[in-house]
Amino acid sequence: EAQVTQNPRYLITVTGKKLTVTCSQNMNHEYMSWYRQDPGLGLRQIYYSMNVEVTDKGDVPEGYKVSRKEKRNFPLILESPSPNQTSLYFCASSSPPGNTGELFFGEGSRLTVL
Amino acid sequence: ILNVEQSPQSLHVQEGDSTNFTCSFPSSNFYALHWYRWETAKSPEALFVMTLNGDEKKKGRISATLNTKEGYSYLYIKGSQPEDSATYLCAPSPGGADGLTFGKGTHLIIQP
Repeated sequence: EAQVTQNPRYLITVTGKKLTVTCSQNMNHEYMSWYRQDPGLGLRQIYYSMNVEVTDKGDVPEGYKVSRKEKRNFPLILESPSPNQTSLYFCASSSPPGNTGELFFGEGSRLTVL
Repeated sequence: ILNVEQSPQSLHVQEGDSTNFTCSFPSSNFYALHWYRWETAKSPEALFVMTLNGDEKKKGRISATLNTKEGYSYLYIKGSQPEDSATYLCAPSPGGADGLTFGKGTHLIIQP
């Protein structure tokens, strides 16, 4: 089954404790992206990757890092989480890159930073 | 970041009625427009990807039109059913290295 898998789905952590949200897709997609969803705001792009070893900032990259060492994986790293990073996070992938290829979304990761 | 407006923000529709809502976006530098359906407690799912002015796409009872010259797209739902209750997101893209900019969505509730 074609899917995008995120882990963890739910996480409560404390300020400053590094965490990683993993994302893996099994569709051999070149393009992968991270979004955050906050009340009253649309989905906002954090980082995206056009292919292996190619990453770039989205609209709200501050406080986040990503890596793309393999085509299937695109982890989101919060080196020092802060309460304003409490949000619902979605990973997505597509082929061709997101402009004309429909995005396939993971199930979301709800993060709370205390 | 593109200025994307979706209206209305929320909509209550009686089961069996037809409805439509709007996505407005800058008409300059248009490349593609996406529509997604997002049901509560699930992840967004693609409905349509549209690129051509005047394009019309259909999936079952749901259809969409695109006007790139004036910068808007309509999503229509014919004969609404309870399973149509969801938030509908549109996302235009100017192309190139720029990705999608999502609107805040139209929250549709179908009342039995």
